[in-house]
Amino acid sequence: DTAVSQTPKYLVTQMGNDKSIKCEQNLGHDTMYWYKQDSKKFLKIMFSYNNKELIINETVPNRFSPKSPDKAHLNLHINSLELGDSAVYFCASSLGQGAVNYGYTFGSGTRLTVV
Amino acid sequence: DQQVKQNSPSLSVQEGRISILNCDYTNSMFDYFLWYKKYPAEGPTFLISISSIKDKNEDGRFTVFLNKSAKHLSLHIVPSQPGDSAVYFCAATDNTGGFKTIFGAGTRLFVKA
Repeated sequence: DTAVSQTPKYLVTQMGNDKSIKCEQNLGHDTMYWYKQDSKKFLKIMFSYNNKELIINETVPNRFSPKSPDKAHLNLHINSLELGDSAVYFCASSLGQGAVNYGYTFGSGTRLTVV
Repeated sequence: DQQVKQNSPSLSVQEGRISILNCDYTNSMFDYFLWYKKYPAEGPTFLISISSIKDKNEDGRFTVFLNKSAKHLSLHIVPSQPGDSAVYFCAATDNTGGFKTIFGAGTRLFVKA
């Protein structure tokens, strides 16, 4: 029973295409996140939603649009993909915004390769 | 601007010995510090956290030490086991900054049998 599941695990696509990555958590957590791990291995926050409301929106191109239909799901849609979007994207969830001491539960990642 | 820095990209330790992973930070507003462990092709797994008002937190073989004046924290693993071989990420959260968690670049730990 996967706690935070992301699909697909691997995604190879051409420049200019539009793609989506889905994320679902079955932990009953209130807060969900998207992180990007770039080629230098840094994990950088992109977005955070708390009970379906956007609370963090880092300096991310507006080609990236998150959607949270309910608090258990946070999907990431990317328009007009560019070579520089190639990275591993991690979804995560936490009990709540302030429950930081309990840490996040991460999905296993989606490796996006833009060719 | 790296607010959380892990200056050692890798560390090699003999099984049974102590592993010490280090982390430095620049933002004095960080409230909590966390360590995560990551195996290849998996997401990071939360290990242990420490509040900025404490200087030590222990959980089994894992102990985190915080030195606020030096803006430095470390993770001690005693005794180290081959299964501990992974990438360890240091992270910090600023609750006044929208509860963002900032991660370091990670340190790869090799525990030799």
